[in-house]
Amino acid sequence: DQQVKQNSPSLSVQEGRISILNCDYTNSMFDYFLWYKKYPAEGPTFLISISSIKDKNEDGRFTVFLNKSAKHLSLHIVPSQPGDSAVYFCAATSNSGYALNFGKGTSLLVTP
Amino acid sequence: GAVVSQHPSRVICKSGTSVKIECRSLDFQATTMFWYRQFPKKSLMLMATSNEGSKATYEQGVEKDKFLINHASLTLSTLTVTSAHPEDSSFYICSAIRDSYNEQFFGPGTRLTVL
Repeated sequence: DQQVKQNSPSLSVQEGRISILNCDYTNSMFDYFLWYKKYPAEGPTFLISISSIKDKNEDGRFTVFLNKSAKHLSLHIVPSQPGDSAVYFCAATSNSGYALNFGKGTSLLVTP
Repeated sequence: GAVVSQHPSRVICKSGTSVKIECRSLDFQATTMFWYRQFPKKSLMLMATSNEGSKATYEQGVEKDKFLINHASLTLSTLTVTSAHPEDSSFYICSAIRDSYNEQFFGPGTRLTVL
């Protein structure tokens, strides 16, 4: 049962524009959310996170928004760069454990 | 950031053999490590939670006798795939927690191919 869902398997964005990656979750116990970036044949790299007590967290070009009532979060990348091309995984966890629940990932392609 | 290594990065083995994958936290001690498996075009799936000095906790549907996990020290966890079959071919990734649950660092992964 997929508790974290990324319904868009792929996204293509022009360089300089905004990339918006979406993620939905079903478990109301989740209170911490993370985004990871992954290149083929490598482990995920932590990108940005947000606690459920916040609705926005910003780090440079990356901003994560959390809408608890809708159980939805999104990652905004602006401006997008070709080097941002990778698979982005949304993950969630709860205070009762450390294990991460991952979405299926969204493959982002930033074209020049 | 903290470094987690995995060895080997790639392994090809014959069906029926056993393969051991090592996960090491290089610059910090990790009482808890996790093992994930990624199928093509699918999400990372948690296989088990590895706790130093105690038995691993396996997720539902993961055979503990097939995927042996040993967390012998605060910097090393091993995953042994016993009697490997072609369907075990996958990308296995470990992670280690440093201080709190939001500091989870991933290894580079191990590509296992069973012929």
